[in-house]
Amino acid sequence: QVHLVQSGAEVKKPGASVKVSCRASGYTFTDYYIHWVRQAPGQGLEWLGWINPNNGFTNYAQKFQGRVTLTRDTSISTAYMELRGLTSDDSAVFFCARELFPTNYMDVWASGTTVTVSS
Amino acid sequence: SYVLTQPPSLSVAPGKTASITCGGNNVGSKSVHWYQQKPGQAPALVIHSDRDRPSGIPERVSASNSENTATLTISRVEAGDEADYYCQVWDYSSDHLVFGGGTKLTVL
Repeated sequence: QVHLVQSGAEVKKPGASVKVSCRASGYTFTDYYIHWVRQAPGQGLEWLGWINPNNGFTNYAQKFQGRVTLTRDTSISTAYMELRGLTSDDSAVFFCARELFPTNYMDVWASGTTVTVSS
Repeated sequence: SYVLTQPPSLSVAPGKTASITCGGNNVGSKSVHWYQQKPGQAPALVIHSDRDRPSGIPERVSASNSENTATLTISRVEAGDEADYYCQVWDYSSDHLVFGGGTKLTVL
């Protein structure tokens, strides 16, 4: 059974960084891209970027360029999303999801990680 | 950047048909995907590649894509269809993924 499992909720102060993990199981980790999407309270879905776990290549949404870094550790089938310079506007649920490249859609999603930014 | 426009909300009586639109400049030339998101849950894929249903999605869920509008159609609407629905494309000009703003479907 295919699963993506994310790390637990985080509370951060403004200006801090957060790193969320996404562990894959039930499939070959390097065969699928991992996307990161966030959703602020009561708002829609916002794409942050993807990482190709096979070679580490990344593609970031322009809005987050310079502030987000996607990495992976293939030895433990885990992808990571780090977001720096947090503000209250970054309070959101962050999701990871997989894509069989180059289908351009995400067929399996994790349940999400809540990040709260508060002083 | 590419923009996808969805109506914020739609209300439909049980047993009727819900049609959720997703407008974009020449969206018919792109491959459109649809996600359903229920409160407190992650999004779930319900249609990919304009009109294909993943396994487990009932036949009463269908979709089309032509010219400047993609449409998700849910026939014989049930209470369990109440959710937010998002369309999504890959914009090759910006090399970015784009979501529509989402439509909240309410079953009366």
